[in-house]
Amino acid sequence: RKEVEQDPGPFNVPEGATVAFNCTYSNSASQSFFWYRQDCRKEPKLLMSVYSSGNEDGRFTAQLNRASQYISLLIRDSKLSDSATYLCVVNKGYSSASKIIFGSGTRLSIRP
Amino acid sequence: DTGVSQNPRHKITKRGQNVTFRCDPISEHNRLYWYRQTLGQGPEFLTYFQNEAQLEKSRLLSDRFSAERPKGSFSTLEIQRTEQGDSAMYLCASSLEGQGARSEQYFGPGTRLTVT
Repeated sequence: RKEVEQDPGPFNVPEGATVAFNCTYSNSASQSFFWYRQDCRKEPKLLMSVYSSGNEDGRFTAQLNRASQYISLLIRDSKLSDSATYLCVVNKGYSSASKIIFGSGTRLSIRP
Repeated sequence: DTGVSQNPRHKITKRGQNVTFRCDPISEHNRLYWYRQTLGQGPEFLTYFQNEAQLEKSRLLSDRFSAERPKGSFSTLEIQRTEQGDSAMYLCASSLEGQGARSEQYFGPGTRLTVT
C-alpha cells in the first residue's frame, strides 16, 4: 500500500459544478498536510495548507479527518482554469524532509 | 522575480555524460529540496539542505548523484555518467523552517533532463 494514495482520475465535470476528491495516508503520526496544484509540464504550486479544523479559501475547502486518515479538497463553482492535477502532500514529521510524501495526483478536467 | 529559479530549464545529454543543474531558492528560505518527477507520478524526494548542511538523502540518490549548497544560498545537483533512467523533471523547492512554519514548499520551474 502506498503511503499517500489518490484516485488518479480523470474527473471530468462541467463548469460550475462542485467536485471533491480525497487523499488517504497510512501513517497515523502524520503532522501536516497540503494540497498542491500542478498544470501540465509545470511545477507544483501550493494551493492550501490543511488545518485540523478545516479551512476555506474562496471556492476551495480543505478538510482533515484524522480518525479515518484522509484529507479532502472541495472545489465549488468550478472554472475552466481549475483544470489541473491536484497533489496531496503529507508530512510525517516536522524534523525530516524525507518524511514529506507526495501523492501521484488527481487529474481534474473542467468542460465548458 | 523573487521565486525559486532553476537553470537550465531543459537539458538533453548523451548517456554517460555528466550534467549539473542549479537552483536559486527564495532568498529568506533556509531549506532547499531536490525532487525528481516522472510522468504520472508525484515528486519524489531526493535530498535537502538546511542552510549549507545536507541533512538527508533518499535511497533514490545513487552514488552518481551529488548535491551541494556551499554558502547556504544556491544549490547544484550533479549527475555523473547519466543513464536513460535518469530522464525526468528535476524540481527544486525551498521553504522557511522555524517556529510556526509549516513546511510550505515553493517550487521552481524544474529542469527537464532527457538522456539519449
